[in-house]
Amino acid sequence: TQLLEQSPQFLSIQEGENLTVYCNSSSVFSSLQWYRQEPGEGPVLLVTVVTGGEVKKLKRLTFQFGDARKDSSLHITAAQPGDTGLYLCAGDEGLVKTSYDKVIFGPGTSLSVIP
Amino acid sequence: ETGVTQTPRHLVMGMTNKKSLKCEQHLGHNAMYWYKQSAKKPLELMFVYSLEERVENNSVPSRFSPECPNSSHLFLHLHTLQPEDSALYLCASSQDGSSGGELFFGEGSRLTVL
Repeated sequence: TQLLEQSPQFLSIQEGENLTVYCNSSSVFSSLQWYRQEPGEGPVLLVTVVTGGEVKKLKRLTFQFGDARKDSSLHITAAQPGDTGLYLCAGDEGLVKTSYDKVIFGPGTSLSVIP
Repeated sequence: ETGVTQTPRHLVMGMTNKKSLKCEQHLGHNAMYWYKQSAKKPLELMFVYSLEERVENNSVPSRFSPECPNSSHLFLHLHTLQPEDSALYLCASSQDGSSGGELFFGEGSRLTVL
């Protein structure tokens, strides 16, 4: 069974600071997603990375997929209180094509940005 | 608004009650999922339906019974639950296996079992 680990588990920073959170596995994934979940809500997809070494930017968020497609990082520049939430990485186990998405989730990094 | 709607948002039930959670997706997707989210645990996949057929059942106790009458609706029937079943139950949908793991979640149903 493939597993995803995330670090740190909790992160509390001041507004304006930069931060990086990590997602690691010993297994290869065909793609990897990052989601953000706010309290009382469901996770919302932020980005999908597919190619080893791929870098994607979403405003102040930069996502990178490791060359071996086993790990990923999320870097936030000049964090704002609106960035507060649980950041989940998820990997698609589906190395064999199926009619649905076999997705496993990491435990998440809980980020709190203090004004 | 993600296009996936779950009701009720909150549910409190006793261990002998029978209740159901409902999920509806307006995205034209072919696959629907139930996940369980407990404190300090990763999201746990419970059931997957693809084109209205159950394709995954991850060792979930029989007190949870899913139903998928069509590709837009998914239910989770609850019966004789235990307090440890208290959690956030999340419904999700995806186009099919070609979307590379991109799931669209509802807002969740917060279940408390007394």
